[in-house]
Amino acid sequence: GESVGLHLPTLSVQEGDNSIINCAYSNSASDYFIWYKQESGKGPQFIIDIRSNMDKRQGQRVTVLLNKTVKHLSLQIAATQPGDSAVYFCAENVFTGGGNKLTFGTGTQLKVEL
Amino acid sequence: GAVVSQHPSRVICKSGTSVKIECRSLDFQATTMFWYRQFPKKSLMLMATSNEGSKATYEQGVEKDKFLINHASLTLSTLTVTSAHPEDSSFYICSARWRVSDTQYFGPGTRLTVL
Repeated sequence: GESVGLHLPTLSVQEGDNSIINCAYSNSASDYFIWYKQESGKGPQFIIDIRSNMDKRQGQRVTVLLNKTVKHLSLQIAATQPGDSAVYFCAENVFTGGGNKLTFGTGTQLKVEL
Repeated sequence: GAVVSQHPSRVICKSGTSVKIECRSLDFQATTMFWYRQFPKKSLMLMATSNEGSKATYEQGVEKDKFLINHASLTLSTLTVTSAHPEDSSFYICSARWRVSDTQYFGPGTRLTVL
């Protein structure tokens, strides 16, 4: 049957506050990083991406920061809304002999409190 | 944005039967599609990479005879779970990648329950 493991790390924020979700990646050769949002029972939804030649990229209400020195990625969500409640995954693009593929982080559950 | 669909969204089958899941890119051509498996409260695990017109590349530990993948066109890939057993129950998600972009766009997932 399906495995039952530890609960996902959870970040609880008040509506209107800023959220910061962190991710550590493993492969220093990774050249492309993506943040996905996954709501319960649905597939991951693309939020924002960043290439390794950048250290910051902004979208609508979201900002991704990349620190290659310590292999750290963060997602900042401004003015967090109830609709932002979901699990957030970072993913790193790794080139292997079989081509490019994504490796996903463990995920963070974001809960927005009213 | 790019749209990827999956069918069916939910399927319940008896142990020993085979189940086919379809993944379609609706508004773009995808030379590469990916199949993932996800357990509750867990991350996505890549099962295989499917390139149009060629054999799929399976990740270590994934049985290729158990999980048959066909990528017959630039908009369709199928995953067939053969002789399904309760331990195959899971959330299966596909993704598709544009030819000129590294971004993967995901389908809504298929919940498989094997009784």
